[in-house]
Amino acid sequence: GENVEQHPSTLSVQEGDSAVIKCTYSDSASNYFPWYKQELGKRPQLIIDIRSNVGEKKDQRIAVTLNKTAKHFSLHITETQPEDSAVYFCAASMGDKIIFGKGTRLHILP
Amino acid sequence: DTAVSQTPKYLVTQMGNDKSIKCEQNLGHDTMYWYKQDSKKFLKIMFSYNNKELIINETVPNRFSPKSPDKAHLNLHINSLELGDSAVYFCASEPTGTTNEKLFFGSGTQLSVL
Repeated sequence: GENVEQHPSTLSVQEGDSAVIKCTYSDSASNYFPWYKQELGKRPQLIIDIRSNVGEKKDQRIAVTLNKTAKHFSLHITETQPEDSAVYFCAASMGDKIIFGKGTRLHILP
Repeated sequence: DTAVSQTPKYLVTQMGNDKSIKCEQNLGHDTMYWYKQDSKKFLKIMFSYNNKELIINETVPNRFSPKSPDKAHLNLHINSLELGDSAVYFCASEPTGTTNEKLFFGSGTQLSVL
């Protein structure tokens, strides 16, 4: 079935350390993998995305890696800052739809 | 000049009532969606429309009826509201329905059914 698994559900890291969130997807035809950040009480907003013809993409402190064979992709945030605290969602395209993972609540500890 | 706007932002109502949520996008996008976010923050797709035509209809009770009068608007009508309908409902739009692109979300409507 259509499924995106996301781990961990909660992650606490010290400010300045790195955070890694991992996702797996079920549909081998998926070709678009966005990541969204949702701050408390706000709308989800795209922070980075990757397509299946690329293995890695970076944007400043954020990077995403994709392993198509394993159907696995990850978000890496380096040098974490207090404003990185939020819920992060991975997602994968499945046909016409974007299916979201269940989210990771990231806490940045002072 | 908000790109995707939803009204109302908050909706508190009694069980059994009928209510509507409106969504409008001024981005010229062809595709619009409704997502439901429950108390555990899980974002689940409900419907999508491409240029006023229903494309996706997930397993949603038929008490929920989307309506798209034109490609800039996608409204959600809910009949006979139940406690389990309490959630945040997000409208979103996408530039095209042929390839997947960035979703632009509205600010959400928090529905509380008492």
